[in-house]
Amino acid sequence: DAKTTQPPSMDCAEGRAANLPCNHSTISGNEYVYWYRQIHSQGPQYIIHGLKNNETNEMASLIITEDRKSSTLILPHATLRDTAVYYCIVSSRGNDYKLSFGAGTTVTVRA
Amino acid sequence: EAGVTQSPTHLIKTRGQQATLRCSPISGHTSVYWYQQALGLGLQFLLWYDEGEERNRGNFPPRFSGRQFPNYSSELNVNALELEDSALYLCAGRPKDIRGNEQFFGPGTRLTVL
Repeated sequence: DAKTTQPPSMDCAEGRAANLPCNHSTISGNEYVYWYRQIHSQGPQYIIHGLKNNETNEMASLIITEDRKSSTLILPHATLRDTAVYYCIVSSRGNDYKLSFGAGTTVTVRA
Repeated sequence: EAGVTQSPTHLIKTRGQQATLRCSPISGHTSVYWYQQALGLGLQFLLWYDEGEERNRGNFPPRFSGRQFPNYSSELNVNALELEDSALYLCAGRPKDIRGNEQFFGPGTRLTVL
């Protein structure tokens, strides 16, 4: 019952920016957009989240469109260690904050 | 600050047995979530505990149960194990009274049912 759509895979060159798109056209007003990633065989790692404003932290930037129906996660300088499955998730207090993971985008960073 | 810990790392059981998995969240994190990641099925929400109470559960049969202790650590029990219960079981903690849903995951317990 994931409410987001992501491309199944993408490649990125090491040192270049990686732009990961996500569609969430049915997002409601109280739902945040979250991004997590899962490096092979490890637990998922929180990256960033936002409601309607763009956000930036030490790992990434999150750009949310004005209508909030889509967003883009930007890894500014991808490294080989960024190879992982990236999950875009919408979540709110209304659904008990549970995370509904979809299939995500498998990002492969190549040297 | 110690991260989320889970034990054991690996667990091998046979059909019909019971499995007990343990999770200790980061200090100060009062909510614990359990997820199952079976091969080819992605991460599925299992259970949510907060302040010692079960608050919500996913679409799993009653033989999946658990509890949360006064120190906020948690235990997941799986009774009458079936082959399809083989999966990576992940727990995550969430701090109390935060606006968002930053969940901090442990490394998981790999359960194999033979």
